[in-house]
Amino acid sequence: KNEVEQSPQNLTAQEGEFITINCSYSVGISALHWLQQHPGGGIVSLFMLSSGKKKHGRLIATINIQEKHSSLHITASHPRDSAVYICAALFHTGNQFYFGTGTSLTVIP
Amino acid sequence: NAGVMQNPRHLVRRRGQEARLRCSPMKGHSHVYWYRQLPEEGLKFMVYLQKENIIDESGMPKERFSAEFPKEGPSILRIQQVVRGDSAAYFCASSPEGLSYGYTFGSGTRLTVV
Repeated sequence: KNEVEQSPQNLTAQEGEFITINCSYSVGISALHWLQQHPGGGIVSLFMLSSGKKKHGRLIATINIQEKHSSLHITASHPRDSAVYICAALFHTGNQFYFGTGTSLTVIP
Repeated sequence: NAGVMQNPRHLVRRRGQEARLRCSPMKGHSHVYWYRQLPEEGLKFMVYLQKENIIDESGMPKERFSAEFPKEGPSILRIQQVVRGDSAAYFCASSPEGLSYGYTFGSGTRLTVV
């Protein structure tokens, strides 16, 4: 069964803090994606990972294939980072994303 | 090159009416995916279409829901005889050759059934 679990569900941080969001999945993914959704807004792709680590500005995404786990890190968090972050797995068996439930992040000035 | 265009952005329907949601993919994209986001829940896959073909509709409710992607024009997600439980945000995404090759999400249509 294709499953994706994400934690925490809600996260509040002070501006400047280092943030980590976790995602675990069942076997057989071809890629793991991290998405960002602002309130009332659309969905933006942040990263696509099949191995290792990627960095874009203050965002870092890592994936450990053996442990079936990925993390999204935000360094020096800022209020504009406040959004819902969603991990989405693309499994070898299909043409569709399986999504985590999302992490609602609020960064307080 | 406009992104994925979804309209309307907000749609209000009374119970029993029909809802039609439109998704115009990016230029050059022939693959369209529809997702539903229920209040306080995560995104769920509904249907995957290529031009004139439904590839995977395993996430579509068996009744009242249908989707099409004609040769010309946008993809349409149609919900007949809407009920309150259909209230949700509906997103589409398009890609040129499948999700592994890149994709873009639309801004979604927020359907409210009153």
